[in-house]
Amino acid sequence: NAGVTQTPKFQVLKTGQSMTLQCAQDMNHNSMYWYRQDPGMGLRLIYYSASEGTTDKGEVPNGYNVSRLNKREFSLRLESAAPSQTSVYFCASSERTWMVEKLFFGSGTQLSVL
Amino acid sequence: SQQGEEDPQALSIQEGENATMNCSYKTSINNLQWYRQNSGRGLVHLILIRSNEREKHSGRLRVTLDTSKKSSSLLITASRAADTASYFCAYVPRSNAGGTSYGKLTFGQGTILTVHP
Repeated sequence: NAGVTQTPKFQVLKTGQSMTLQCAQDMNHNSMYWYRQDPGMGLRLIYYSASEGTTDKGEVPNGYNVSRLNKREFSLRLESAAPSQTSVYFCASSERTWMVEKLFFGSGTQLSVL
Repeated sequence: SQQGEEDPQALSIQEGENATMNCSYKTSINNLQWYRQNSGRGLVHLILIRSNEREKHSGRLRVTLDTSKKSSSLLITASRAADTASYFCAYVPRSNAGGTSYGKLTFGQGTILTVHP
């Protein structure tokens, strides 16, 4: 079972460039999430999608956009990358968002913005 | 921020010893979860404890929850070198209205555990 698959694993961007991080899950989960992880900050929620067709802001949404393409796929877009967006990005999924009991994570995307 | 706090930030022990990590949070919760992250990998769910439970066991893991103190602890007994990882607590804060728990899992800042062979 693949679980949650993220691409790419590594990316280097120049300030102002754009890119899209892709995420897909094969567990038929309703809810999907994008987190960023920075040293000493733990994980912070960027956006989440409770179900297909819906998206909501998390704790740190500025500078990002998301698309829930279908039940399987949830992408994160950086329209104009900034050095402050250098981070490790994780996609996750769960059966539901309400009283979530378990998240399944992808292996992460390490992004550097120069 | 409603982010949880964990201590210690780093813990270094010998194989066979027990490791205890603590998590404190600021709001009412429905459940609290612990995750492990090996270096360069995603997080993996370890165990969940509900707000009406005080202690839970899973293999070498023991989790306690004290809702009056808004704190939880994770004990790993008889640690192994393979337990070397970062450990995170996570919870969904209750909303102020109605006590529902819709939305976001909030993570603590993590404890880095190193187990020396």
